[in-house]
Amino acid sequence: DAGITQSPRHKVTETGTPVTLRCHQTENHRYMYWYRQDPGHGLRLIHYSYGVKDTDKGEVSDGYSVSRSKTEDFLLTLESATSSQTSVYFCAIGWDGGSNQPQHFGDGTRLSIL
Amino acid sequence: GENVEQHPSTLSVQEGDSAVIKCTYSDSASNYFPWYKQELGKRPQLIIDIRSNVGEKKDQRIAVTLNKTAKHFSLHITETQPEDSAVYFCAAINEGTSYDKVIFGPGTSLSVIP
Repeated sequence: DAGITQSPRHKVTETGTPVTLRCHQTENHRYMYWYRQDPGHGLRLIHYSYGVKDTDKGEVSDGYSVSRSKTEDFLLTLESATSSQTSVYFCAIGWDGGSNQPQHFGDGTRLSIL
Repeated sequence: GENVEQHPSTLSVQEGDSAVIKCTYSDSASNYFPWYKQELGKRPQLIIDIRSNVGEKKDQRIAVTLNKTAKHFSLHITETQPEDSAVYFCAAINEGTSYDKVIFGPGTSLSVIP
């Protein structure tokens, strides 16, 4: 299995609070991704990173920000959490500039906003 | 925008029977088609993939077929077993670009009845 660790695995917090999710990889992949998974929607891309300090928006980026200060770490921040951001969040790595690498996912973070 | 349709959304089969899940994509530039299996509460895991230069690929009880002209590809599981019960996701990717262009299907929930 690809070395991807997400933390925390579960979190319950209140509306309006800031939340940061961490993804750590040991594979030295250039590309890292954050997805959210909701019933009936499958996996939807929030943000992705193509290198240290290089990030871009995905399909559902509103309300989220990301940072990548080191190759191995990709952080997802909800500045002011809302109930609509209750979801399961998956980090993924893959596609290292054309090397035909498939995406591999972390174990997910279950986030509940009350 | 580009999308991937997946059918059926739910599928129940008797143990030992075959299961077929079909995905249709819209982006004619897509050239890589992975399938992921996600067991309840777990992360999506790659089970098989196919590239546009082949029409069929097999791995033991699972196979994937691709029809580029019709822009659809299918997952075939033979001799189904209870441990095949999971949600299956397809994706269509243009490997000439980064994975921010990955489009996932909405998923098929497969139940194998013992």
